[in-house]
Amino acid sequence: EDQVTQSPEALRLQEGESSSLNCSYTVSGLRGLFWYRQDPGKGPEFLFTLYSAGEEKEKERLKATLTKKESFLHITAPKPEDSATYLCAVHPNSGYALNFGKGTSLLVTP
Amino acid sequence: DGGITQSPKYLFRKEGQNVTLSCEQNLNHDAMYWYRQDPGQGLRLIYYSQIVNDFQKGDIAEGYSVSREKKESFPLTVTSAQKNPTAFYLCASSIATNQPQHFGDGTRLSIL
Repeated sequence: EDQVTQSPEALRLQEGESSSLNCSYTVSGLRGLFWYRQDPGKGPEFLFTLYSAGEEKEKERLKATLTKKESFLHITAPKPEDSATYLCAVHPNSGYALNFGKGTSLLVTP
Repeated sequence: DGGITQSPKYLFRKEGQNVTLSCEQNLNHDAMYWYRQDPGQGLRLIYYSQIVNDFQKGDIAEGYSVSREKKESFPLTVTSAQKNPTAFYLCASSIATNQPQHFGDGTRLSIL
């Protein structure tokens, strides 16, 4: 069965304290892995797509990486406005639906 | 601005009542999706549509129905058969089913 597990469930950082969020997955072939940011009461906002092991994408303070079994979202020198829930989703070769993890809730304090 | 519009933002359902959630997109995307989000759980797929006049059930379709008569619109009806409808409902669209999905800002459904 396809599974997506995100860790930690919650993370509290001081402003400027870099860290990483993890997304581990087991799927029968990976068509793509997606990272989203979700603010309270809003829909998820697309951040990155990764398609193959070794691929990396960057946007401002965020960098996403992919291996054959997991993806990391690295946050460098975070600011309070980076506080949000970060969702990981995988698109397996079988089927059309995305499998979402439960998310990591990030709080960055000044 | 292109995007996905969901309405209403908040909706209340009485016992035995069907309610319909609206989703409209002007991104010219072929594929559209409905998800349900509950606290502490990942998004779960209710229905998806790859093209007009065609749709498939997702993992939790029981108690829900959809239609896709126009490319821009994919309304979701929560029927009285759905016994636990309280949730945050998200609509999404993508150029194709293997491309990133873009989401609306959701409808929060509660029971009166």
